Amino acid sequence: EIVMTQSPATLSVSPGERATLSCRASQSVSSNLAWYQQKPGQAPRLLIYGASTRATGIPARFSGGGSGTEFTLTISSLQSEDFAVYYCQQYNNWWTFGQGTKVEIK
Amino acid sequence: EVRLVQSGAEVKKPGESLKISCKGYEFLYNSYWIAWVRQMPGKGLELMGIIFPGDSDTRYSPSFQGQVTISADMSLRTTYLQWSGLKASDTAMYYCAIPHYAPDVFDIWGQGTMVTVSS
Repeated sequence: EIVMTQSPATLSVSPGERATLSCRASQSVSSNLAWYQQKPGQAPRLLIYGASTRATGIPARFSGGGSGTEFTLTISSLQSEDFAVYYCQQYNNWWTFGQGTKVEIK
Repeated sequence: EVRLVQSGAEVKKPGESLKISCKGYEFLYNSYWIAWVRQMPGKGLELMGIIFPGDSDTRYSPSFQGQVTISADMSLRTTYLQWSGLKASDTAMYYCAIPHYAPDVFDIWGQGTMVTVSS
């Protein structure tokens, strides 16, 4: 099983600031990496797939990068609605999720 | 609008059986893999298994093999997740999801079904 490790567990950011989240795979997943956002009481929402392609309707302030085993999700200027938990997911070999990064208001 | 609508919350006792459902609307139901994802309280997401309703091909994550059964009824456009003997550790939110617009990633999700197992 491919293990996905996200860091940090919690990220405290002020509105308007930039946030960078990391995700590492235990073996190469090529570019088969997605990012999801989950708010309390809601289902996850797909943000990014193919490591860097934004899903339909996702604002341009969300960007993804990386390939192989190291990936990042960057939120260029945090809005109030962006405070949530973010999960990475590999789909190169079955599907496995990271444990999540909580982005909270500083 | 493409959507997945799940059955309502359940409260069960240990050892009881349960079947929850996920109905699909406005997409070719027999043409997409449908996944079930578990989220235990305060925890992350775990993919339990997937089913292709077109031919009922079903695959399970190793952790869930033998613990649950996934099935589908094409005539009802409905996918099911069932347990034959619930445990307290099955207490979780369960989501169904499909890769509709983007390949191999889950861009359409049901609203979730909360299952509580308690004596």
